Amino acid sequence: DVKVTQSSRYLVKRTGEKVFLECVQDMDHENMFWYRQDPGLGLRLIYFSYDVKMKEKGDIPEGYSVSREKKERFSLILESASTNQTSMYLCASSRDRSGNEKLFFGSGTQLSVL
Amino acid sequence: AQKITQTQPGMFVQEKEAVTLDCTYDTSDQSYGLFWYKQPSSGEMIFLIYQGSYDEQNATEGRYSLNFQKARKSANLVISASQLGDSAMYFCAMREDFYGNNRLAFGKGNQVVVIP
Repeated sequence: DVKVTQSSRYLVKRTGEKVFLECVQDMDHENMFWYRQDPGLGLRLIYFSYDVKMKEKGDIPEGYSVSREKKERFSLILESASTNQTSMYLCASSRDRSGNEKLFFGSGTQLSVL
Repeated sequence: AQKITQTQPGMFVQEKEAVTLDCTYDTSDQSYGLFWYKQPSSGEMIFLIYQGSYDEQNATEGRYSLNFQKARKSANLVISASQLGDSAMYFCAMREDFYGNNRLAFGKGNQVVVIP
């Protein structure tokens, strides 16, 4: 089975801190994604990457950046955390760009910014 | 504009009964894919079922089936013989070919609670 691992299940940070959320997948998938999930809003795409060193903005990229230096790892960076970035962050990967390829998700990181 | 609409309030379902979760979508693409995911309280998103826009038959996966009505742009999930473990949030998602990179747009989800 594909495994998508997010480094932290819970994280508490202070306003203004630089925050790194790490995600690793073990199945040589091309595509990786970062979503945030908020009650009543569903999942919203922040950034995605379809290759090493490639990145594309999703629907809500403001306040975030990403890094993909190796195929298996996709990092989400909050340059200066703010309270409105308190959320559940979900990482996902998929094998390639084929239309029927499902996404495999990690368990999520619940980030609280105080 | 919202691409995936899930408007049902939280649902209580009797164990062993069937439940239908509504999903409507908005796209001008001819080629697209529709997915359903389950999210139990543990938080992990679990893939349930996929329907391609050109698939002529409704998708089925065990107790899950997708009632695909292309003209109405609806892709309702049917869970037959509900079990207590089906209690979860359910998300409908769509992949539009326009982007060509398998990004999914998700709805806001439906909460289902199965009662014994």
